[in-house]
Amino acid sequence: GEDVEQSLFLSVREGDSSVINCTYTDSSSTYLYWYKQEPGAGLQLLTYIFSNMDMKQDQRLTVLLNKKDKHLSLRIADTQTGDSAIYFCAEGRGGYNKLIFGAGTRLAVHP
Amino acid sequence: DSGVTQTPKHLITATGQRVTLRCSPRSGDLSVYWYQQSLDQGLQFLIQYYNGEERAKGNILERFSAQQFPDLHSELNLSSLELGDSALYFCASSESKGLAGVWEETQYFGPGTRLLVL
Repeated sequence: GEDVEQSLFLSVREGDSSVINCTYTDSSSTYLYWYKQEPGAGLQLLTYIFSNMDMKQDQRLTVLLNKKDKHLSLRIADTQTGDSAIYFCAEGRGGYNKLIFGAGTRLAVHP
Repeated sequence: DSGVTQTPKHLITATGQRVTLRCSPRSGDLSVYWYQQSLDQGLQFLIQYYNGEERAKGNILERFSAQQFPDLHSELNLSSLELGDSALYFCASSESKGLAGVWEETQYFGPGTRLLVL
């Protein structure tokens, strides 16, 4: 089973906010990441958060981290059709930060 | 464009064969990571090299091996291929900055090599 868990699918209306949730297991993880994968493409780094932070905002993206519950979320404001993709949560584990990925959340944006 | 390049983009081969996948990291990055993405296993870490030396190992089969050369490019060798090895293989690179004892290793991914074993 996955050590990092995400819901598999999210559907939102264009212009609404999307919230993608993730839970992880290793409390010693120093960095947590969000990657985006469009069909047939590689993984694009969206943002990351250091474990001593609660929140990080980057334009339309807001990352919230609840370290006590080992819960990470990614909020996309004003979701657009170009945001349709699979979003992966990953925790950096071990001294050299190997990434452990969730199964990915497929975001579908409809008009 | 992440700055990480991978060749070839696609590879079709037969069971029992051996292939080599190549990765060039971003300029200045010392670390190279290999990941496998398959439908049943998802994205899995295989192996990491730092400045030519193996640093961490994940779920890499004994039939697979990798190396990082003095110019920092890396190759992943897959041998005795099986149908189940069909997957997308990603390379990622990072600068590997040490900050107060913590390694900041933000990884940038290449476009991947899609391997199909028939």
